[in-house]
Amino acid sequence: AQTVTQSQPEMSVQEAETVTLSCTYDTSESDYYLFWYKQPPSRQMILVIRQEAYKQQNATENRFSVNFQKAAKSFSLKISDSQLGDAAMYFCAYRRHSGGGADGLTFGKGTHLIIQP
Amino acid sequence: DTGVSQDPRHKITKRGQNVTFRCDPISEHNRLYWYRQTLGQGPEFLTYFQNEAQLEKSRLLSDRFSAERPKGSFSTLEIQRTEQGDSAMYLCASSLGWQDNQPQHFGDGTRLSIL
Repeated sequence: AQTVTQSQPEMSVQEAETVTLSCTYDTSESDYYLFWYKQPPSRQMILVIRQEAYKQQNATENRFSVNFQKAAKSFSLKISDSQLGDAAMYFCAYRRHSGGGADGLTFGKGTHLIIQP
Repeated sequence: DTGVSQDPRHKITKRGQNVTFRCDPISEHNRLYWYRQTLGQGPEFLTYFQNEAQLEKSRLLSDRFSAERPKGSFSTLEIQRTEQGDSAMYLCASSLGWQDNQPQHFGDGTRLSIL
């Protein structure tokens, strides 16, 4: 079974600075997808960024970028120029290629990101 | 795009009662998912539908849980004889299944509290 581990229960960063959230995963699959979702307090889960395992290039979405290390099974999220609105729970998630069967996401336990003004 | 809609937002019930939640996916999305999220944890996959067919069920989905998606549109999740351990946020998500890399879009969830 796939597992996703987020080793940082909480991270704190000063506004405008850069922070990196860690995620490791375990799988025997070679083709899969990785995601970072953001969940603000009492609000819905929002997709931040996604990475397809067969792509070597790291995904980037504006201030958000990932460092995808397939051999190490590591998928960290870097947030540049942190803003107050970035404060939320961040979840790393894995989904194997649907041709393999189950299509549900496997989530980590989350990292609570605090932005210090 | 009106987003994924879930109803009700909150449900409080006594242990042993039955509850039913509804999810309306984004209109063109053919895949629909149910997750359960307990406090301080990430969501856990329960089940998913492609159109009206329920294609996968997690071991977390005990016999007291049943999900339906008639006509491949909205879905319902019913919990019979609720227990204290059923207290959680129940999240629904939908995606376009035609391309494998489509992300899942989540609703606001239904928070269930068992007294």
